Amino acid sequence: EPEVTQTPSHQVTQMGQEVILRCVPISNHLYFYWYRQILGQKVEFLVSFYNNEISEKSEIFDDQFSVERPDGSNFTLKIRSTKLEDSAMYFCASGEVEQYFGPGTRLTVT
Amino acid sequence: GENVEQHPSTLSVQEGDSAVIKCTYSDSASNYFPWYKQELGKGPQLIIDIRSNVGEKKDQRIAVTLNKTAKHFSLHITETQPEDSAVYFCAARGAAGNKLTFGGGTRVLVKP
Repeated sequence: EPEVTQTPSHQVTQMGQEVILRCVPISNHLYFYWYRQILGQKVEFLVSFYNNEISEKSEIFDDQFSVERPDGSNFTLKIRSTKLEDSAMYFCASGEVEQYFGPGTRLTVT
Repeated sequence: GENVEQHPSTLSVQEGDSAVIKCTYSDSASNYFPWYKQELGKGPQLIIDIRSNVGEKKDQRIAVTLNKTAKHFSLHITETQPEDSAVYFCAARGAAGNKLTFGGGTRVLVKP
């Protein structure tokens, strides 16, 4: 059964550093998303991506965030200058109506 | 924007009993309501969903009901088993775009 994969599973970085979280969506899907979940809080939408451009983004997705589909299979989330409050689980998802989630990347900013 | 509230936050049931989780949403234009199950260390797994033109949907031991007038929807798990123990999330999708707004989650513990 096809699934969304994410790497790395855990990333530790220092405040101010750049991180790139990687995702491989389900191969025939055209819509991709990033969500995050801060410990103990709700899963929050960050951004959706379709046809090589952002289709929707939340208030959280400010200028320090960017997304890219660098090739036919990968979908990345870049955080330019990490802050302590960026520590969270980051989930990638794909699918137009039914969204299928990856296992997540735990980002720890120290 | 959309707001989704979920209750209860924790639910403990005896194996074989039923479990019910309820969610309310605020945007009357929302038209798609998925439920996800999240096991420890894994991502949310889509287990069932319902669209706004349907009042009820069932898949084996799980069912979802939707009351559009009251803006609430519920997940029902019958004959619970220990492997049903997990965190369950409801979500809603608005009329414009594909963004999902999630409830706060319900931790379900099925006691053998």
